[in-house]
Amino acid sequence: GAGVSQTPSNKVTEKGKYVELRCDPISGHTALYWYRQSLGQGPEFLIYFQGTGAADDSGLPNDRFFAVRPEGSVSTLKIQRTERGDSAVYLCASSLLAGTTTSTDTQYFGPGTRLTVL
Amino acid sequence: DQQVKQNSPSLSVQEGRISILNCDYTNSMFDYFLWYKKYPAEGPTFLISISSIKDKNEDGRFTVFLNKSAKHLSLHIVPSQPGDSAVYFCAASSPTGGSNYKLTFGKGTLLTVNP
Repeated sequence: GAGVSQTPSNKVTEKGKYVELRCDPISGHTALYWYRQSLGQGPEFLIYFQGTGAADDSGLPNDRFFAVRPEGSVSTLKIQRTERGDSAVYLCASSLLAGTTTSTDTQYFGPGTRLTVL
Repeated sequence: DQQVKQNSPSLSVQEGRISILNCDYTNSMFDYFLWYKKYPAEGPTFLISISSIKDKNEDGRFTVFLNKSAKHLSLHIVPSQPGDSAVYFCAASSPTGGSNYKLTFGKGTLLTVNP
């Protein structure tokens, strides 16, 4: 079956502009995650959705970042007034469930969107 | 501060030999650990995991060892193959601590397996 897809694969924008990054999770997966990977770093957690609601947005760096998942499937990460420091690969992942009290469900990652802010 | 540390940025091994990738963690709340593999221009792919109630988990050529007292885990690949060349990320979560969904990743180790 189809994996997680993300569009666009690359996005170049100018400082101060608004961008939207889209994620299509694996069909039937209720949990969806956004991570950000800066150069030379591992992925860093941004936000977790269970269904339509953001269950944990503690990783969003500031209020310029916002994400939605209105119908419990596709999600959009929105960044306002972009800054050069926002340049990174934004990864989306999905899983059937989040996990249990003793394990974490396998998270399936998309290929990412490489955002470059000039 | 890095809660999950992979101190070796790169590792080079000969085909057929063993690859050992190491990972240390500082947060004692972590009790579930995963290894992901990443090829260029692709997202990370799950490889193997281990719960803190175990000290070893094996899946084919891949074995993960966990030493809770040392807060250390390692991934062994035997025998190594050229197709194993990728960046390997160690990740941790805290299911019993109420955070079974949030993965904390290390910086990764680039493994190169030479033919």
